[in-house]
Amino acid sequence: QGELVESGGGVVQPGRSLRLSCAASGFTFRNYDMDWVRQAPGKGLDWVAVITYDGRNKYYADSVKGRFTISRDNSKNTLYLQLNSLSAEDTAVYHCVRGGGSGTDRYFDSWGQGTLLTVSS
Amino acid sequence: QSVLTQPPSVSGAPGQRVTISCTGSSSNIGAGYHVHWYRQLPGTAPKLLIYGNTNRPSGVPDRFSGSRSGTSASLAISGLQAEDEADYYCQSYDSGLSGSVFGGGTKLTVL
Repeated sequence: QGELVESGGGVVQPGRSLRLSCAASGFTFRNYDMDWVRQAPGKGLDWVAVITYDGRNKYYADSVKGRFTISRDNSKNTLYLQLNSLSAEDTAVYHCVRGGGSGTDRYFDSWGQGTLLTVSS
Repeated sequence: QSVLTQPPSVSGAPGQRVTISCTGSSSNIGAGYHVHWYRQLPGTAPKLLIYGNTNRPSGVPDRFSGSRSGTSASLAISGLQAEDEADYYCQSYDSGLSGSVFGGGTKLTVL
């Protein structure tokens, strides 16, 4: 199953930027598409973005398109999420997740515990 | 408002069978995209429960089963146990949004 450990969360003022990281271990990271899924306090799951195994293709939820950037470094087994122009609506626990399946029939077969981002002045 | 609709809560007594519905539309479940289910115990990360509509990952007991028909899918849990008390989420792909979508989640209470 492997392990995913997120870091980089914290308290940030509206309009500022932040970068989240996710360290992967226990599986061949470069072989898997990877996603970020977030969960606002007391709310449900919200898919944020996906990056293909080779980093060539990236897709985003409409709510973050143009503000967030997903990237990866396969040499470091690390996934990133750059968050810009943050607002209170971005307050959530951000989970790094490994994609199973393929194409449009993807599912999330391994989850990190998440890192909490709070956007507040 | 989630793209996939789930009942906010369901309940059942130990040993009983409960089902959780997940209703979508022609751009997701109705288009034939697979439905997957996750369980989230309090204070923990979600865990994959069912993938590809009906498949259980290794280690998930056969008390859990999934099905899909038309624009809807269901998760059935038989032989309810106290430890099944959790939040359950369905997930699929939406062609209009070009990305993964989740249901709003269902809280299962074991009476």
